[in-house]
Amino acid sequence: QQQVKQSPQSLIVQKGGISIINCAYENTAFDYFPWYQQFPGKGPALLIAIRPDVSEKKEGRFTISFNKSAKQFSLHIMDSQPGDSATYFCAASMEEYGNKLVFGAGTILRVKS
Amino acid sequence: DVKVTQSSRYLVKRTGEKVFLECVQDMDHENMFWYRQDPGLGLRLIYFSYDVKMKEKGDIPEGYSVSREKKERFSLILESASTNQTSMYLCASSSPQLSSYEQYFGPGTRLTVT
Repeated sequence: QQQVKQSPQSLIVQKGGISIINCAYENTAFDYFPWYQQFPGKGPALLIAIRPDVSEKKEGRFTISFNKSAKQFSLHIMDSQPGDSATYFCAASMEEYGNKLVFGAGTILRVKS
Repeated sequence: DVKVTQSSRYLVKRTGEKVFLECVQDMDHENMFWYRQDPGLGLRLIYFSYDVKMKEKGDIPEGYSVSREKKERFSLILESASTNQTSMYLCASSSPQLSSYEQYFGPGTRLTVT
């Protein structure tokens, strides 16, 4: 019930294309869904996050789409650039869980120029 | 600029050795975390601490212990290193005052146990 399932494991996208990474969860008590971005040699850093009271959140080229009934959320990267090449992790948390996060397995994104 | 630092970027230890991984944060955060990162498994929580001298087990605490004597410092201890503990270890901190639950990560320590 505490798992977050992420797909695909890896993704290759042409420069200018749309990158889409999907995550699914089981526990309906989760109330916070962040995405973290990790570049080689660095720790993950918060990219964008959403709460279940909205269906979409956009920050620049990055958009989270959230489907509460399907218990799924996804990250869309528009106009993907080589600088977006990184590992992306979805995660989930809830108030009773304190500040702990449950992470997905990660997606390695490579954007080809 | 917020910062989480880890004592080593790379570490090579022998089986059976006692290993100390140190983490320091300068944000006065109450919460600190230790994760291990393995390909295809994501980040798995080993231990976390929500206050000085307080600790709670995460999802994979076996073979590890932790120490938090000061608010800014959280140590991960491998009592007797084994080859299956070869991994990337990430430290993070956060504050319950932040409604975003955002965690700030250090750069990681890649530990190899031979």
